[in-house]
Amino acid sequence: EPEVTQTPSHQVTQMGQEVILRCVPISNHLYFYWYRQILGQKVEFLVSFYNNEISEKSEIFDDQFSVERPDGSNFTLKIRSTKLEDSAMYFCASSDYAEQFFGPGTRLTVL
Amino acid sequence: TQLLEQSPQFLSIQEGENLTVYCNSSSVFSSLQWYRQEPGEGPVLLVTVVTGGEVKKLKRLTFQFGDARKDSSLHITAAQPGDTGLYLCAGAGAQKLVFGQGTRLTINP
Repeated sequence: EPEVTQTPSHQVTQMGQEVILRCVPISNHLYFYWYRQILGQKVEFLVSFYNNEISEKSEIFDDQFSVERPDGSNFTLKIRSTKLEDSAMYFCASSDYAEQFFGPGTRLTVL
Repeated sequence: TQLLEQSPQFLSIQEGENLTVYCNSSSVFSSLQWYRQEPGEGPVLLVTVVTGGEVKKLKRLTFQFGDARKDSSLHITAAQPGDTGLYLCAGAGAQKLVFGQGTRLTINP
């Protein structure tokens, strides 16, 4: 069964460093998303991406964040200068239109 | 701002009992999805309900979408220890999902 994959599963970084989280969406899906979940809190929407551009973003998704689909299979989330409060699980999701399927997540720890 | 409130937040019952989890909002959603999430993993889609009043069954799980498409419920019949987990409802907005805070369900043998 097709699934969304994410790498790395765990990323530890120093405050102020740049990180890139990678996702491979389900191959025939056209819509891509990033969400985050701070420990013990609800899953929060960050950004949606369609047709090679951002279609919607939340207030969380400020200038420190960017997304890219560098080739036909990968979808990346870049955080330019990480802060302590960026520590969270980051989930990638993809959909053909209605139903979103999530990857296993990347646990980002900022020290 | 669209919000989804789930209740109860925690539920611990004995094996064999029935239970209902609620997901409520003041906003209308085009569809509503239920997920199950295990610790340290991503949400796994259980079902999507689209039409007001729609009822979907997945073995012992019954999902209902409210007539006004603002609320939903998940009913589990004869709960089993394997049903233990975090259940999330998520309403579909324009290009995103809005999640509830989840119901942590524990089924005791």
